[in-house]
Amino acid sequence: NAGVMQNPRHLVRRRGQEARLRCSPMKGHSHVYWYRQLPEEGLKFMVYLQKENIIDESGMPKERFSAEFPKEGPSILRIQQVVRGDSAAYFCASSPATGGAKETQYFGPGTRLLVL
Amino acid sequence: AQSVTQPDIHITVSEGASLELRCNYSYGATPYLFWYVQSPGQGLQLLLKYFSGDTLVQGIKGFEAEFKRSQSSFNLRKPSVHWSDAAEYFCAVGAISRVGATNKLIFGTGTLLAVQP
Repeated sequence: NAGVMQNPRHLVRRRGQEARLRCSPMKGHSHVYWYRQLPEEGLKFMVYLQKENIIDESGMPKERFSAEFPKEGPSILRIQQVVRGDSAAYFCASSPATGGAKETQYFGPGTRLLVL
Repeated sequence: AQSVTQPDIHITVSEGASLELRCNYSYGATPYLFWYVQSPGQGLQLLLKYFSGDTLVQGIKGFEAEFKRSQSSFNLRKPSVHWSDAAEYFCAVGAISRVGATNKLIFGTGTLLAVQP
């Protein structure tokens, strides 16, 4: 059973470009979470999605960031007009359909974004 | 506000020595507590979790953690460290979002463990 898949593993963008990060949850999981890890910091929650729905985006920056989890295909975290401060590791996690606060989140290997 | 504090940024232990990594949390209700380990360039792997019941929980790779409500702590321990345990360790609390049963994890800043031969 494959784990959470993220691609690309490394992404380099110049300031002003768009970054698109993909996450395929574990088989049978319909809940996806995105976290950002800035250098020398812990992971910070960004957004929680179920299929075709954004449930909680309280951790998302107000501008330039968006996320989706379509009925078919992976979840996408999109960063428009990237700036150097967006350089970080972005982790996706998934949990089973039952969801809830007790569900274990399974993490992917992350995408390391570098903005030049 | 909900928060997790890991007071030790770096810890170095000798192989075979015992280990204790500290974690303190601030949370209004009964917390759901987790320890994750992150190897360089990798994602996070769950070591163990506490929801209720016995305050001493066992995890993978020989790790255990003890929940102490009076001290708001959830320290991670291992009796004998192996060189392969060198990694970064994160404590987290599962928080209920105001929008519902969101399993939003709030992480500490991590403790980087080095193991000396």
